[in-house]
Amino acid sequence: DAKTTQPNSMESNEEEPVHLPCNHSTISGTDYIHWYRQLPSQGPEYVIHGLTSNVNNRMASLAIAEDRKSSTLILHRATLRDAAVYYCILRAGYYGQNFVFGPGTRLSVLP
Amino acid sequence: DAGITQSPRHKVTETGTPVTLRCHQTENHRYMYWYRQDPGHGLRLIHYSYGVKDTDKGEVSDGYSVSRSKTEDFLLTLESATSSQTSVYFCAISDGGLAGSEQYFGPGTRLTVT
Repeated sequence: DAKTTQPNSMESNEEEPVHLPCNHSTISGTDYIHWYRQLPSQGPEYVIHGLTSNVNNRMASLAIAEDRKSSTLILHRATLRDAAVYYCILRAGYYGQNFVFGPGTRLSVLP
Repeated sequence: DAGITQSPRHKVTETGTPVTLRCHQTENHRYMYWYRQDPGHGLRLIHYSYGVKDTDKGEVSDGYSVSRSKTEDFLLTLESATSSQTSVYFCAISDGGLAGSEQYFGPGTRLTVT
């Protein structure tokens, strides 16, 4: 399974944009790039996903490099509620079962 | 929030005893997954189901079995619990099984095997 690498931790100030990077240099053509986040003592929460093109939704934006070997999750205005562990995941498999969570990036948001 | 519940939410059991965890959904989603989460390992897939009575193994399936007799319930059984199975277990559901579909996670079950 293709793997991702993310920084262990990042800090941001409240109401500022946050760019969370992810490298996935061994990505295959059929791998989707997913982002999930997890608040303490909760299950992971879906954030966004994409294949080749940049994606936007109400929570965030996903910028995918042209060669797809890296991507960036963008939170446009960080709030204290955005403090969580963010996972960048490549999902593949006929049933999407190849869905490997790494250690993620712990985002701290400072007031 | 997706309608997913897990029971029990917390359980302490002794080594060698059987344990069954239940995942229940009200979304009528076809695909269901069981994961375990341990410090330093992120989430790892144990088993998944792509329909009633259709299940398959994930990355860390040894020591676990599953059953799905109806759409809404996916059971995870530890036949003889060991201390290495102490973990937090998450169930997830998806209405599309392909790689481009979202998964929705339950609140988790914290299992301690003494």
